[in-house]
Amino acid sequence: QSVLTQPPSVSGAPGQRVTISCTGSSSNIGAGYDVHWYQQLPGTAPKLLIDGNNNRPSGVPDRFSGSKSGTSASLAITGLQADDEGDYYCQSFDSTLSTLFGGGTKLTVL
Amino acid sequence: EVQVVESGGGLVQPGRSLRLSCAASGFTFGDYGMHWVRQAPGKGLEWVSGISWDSGTIGYADSVKGRFTISRDNAKKSLYLQLNSLRPEDTALYYCTKGGGATTVTAFDNWGQGTLVTVSS
Repeated sequence: QSVLTQPPSVSGAPGQRVTISCTGSSSNIGAGYDVHWYQQLPGTAPKLLIDGNNNRPSGVPDRFSGSKSGTSASLAITGLQADDEGDYYCQSFDSTLSTLFGGGTKLTVL
Repeated sequence: EVQVVESGGGLVQPGRSLRLSCAASGFTFGDYGMHWVRQAPGKGLEWVSGISWDSGTIGYADSVKGRFTISRDNAKKSLYLQLNSLRPEDTALYYCTKGGGATTVTAFDNWGQGTLVTVSS
């Protein structure tokens, strides 16, 4: 069981907005560590989607956005597209500076 | 173009050892922290180990502490992971990833395609 908790699955129709939550604790996200988000499309390596809570690396569409508050963070995807379907992971750190990943959320585009 | 390419995976019996390598190109390797992340078949991502730019900071997941050793050779632009006392639960695709900065507390901004380690008798 992951220290960072994500919903196992979310779904939405094309064009809709979905959010994926990442819940931690005062030992990790709540301690002020950044949260990053990754997208893993079927059969491919993960790709950095959101860096430092809410920054999009070059090439990532502005349909993707991140936020963080207290011990939680969220990834929002607007204008859902069929090729957004895949797995999404949050990442943060704990007081030992170990990296933590959420358990992952499978996004299904209906 | 930034690239990291893993090698060294394979089929190994429980209790045996394996050494993974990661060759980097397209960036100043010695300026960045590096990590290994694994993914068991059908499962999520698990951070394995990370090393800072100068090898001064090294960390391991509890699941591999005492069995795995991470190292780097900045002159050769290479990252390594020595896997000892392997267990069936170590079976996974092992990814080499580049950190976004010199320390180990950063996002992972580039990933290799992974090398598969299978531990089975």
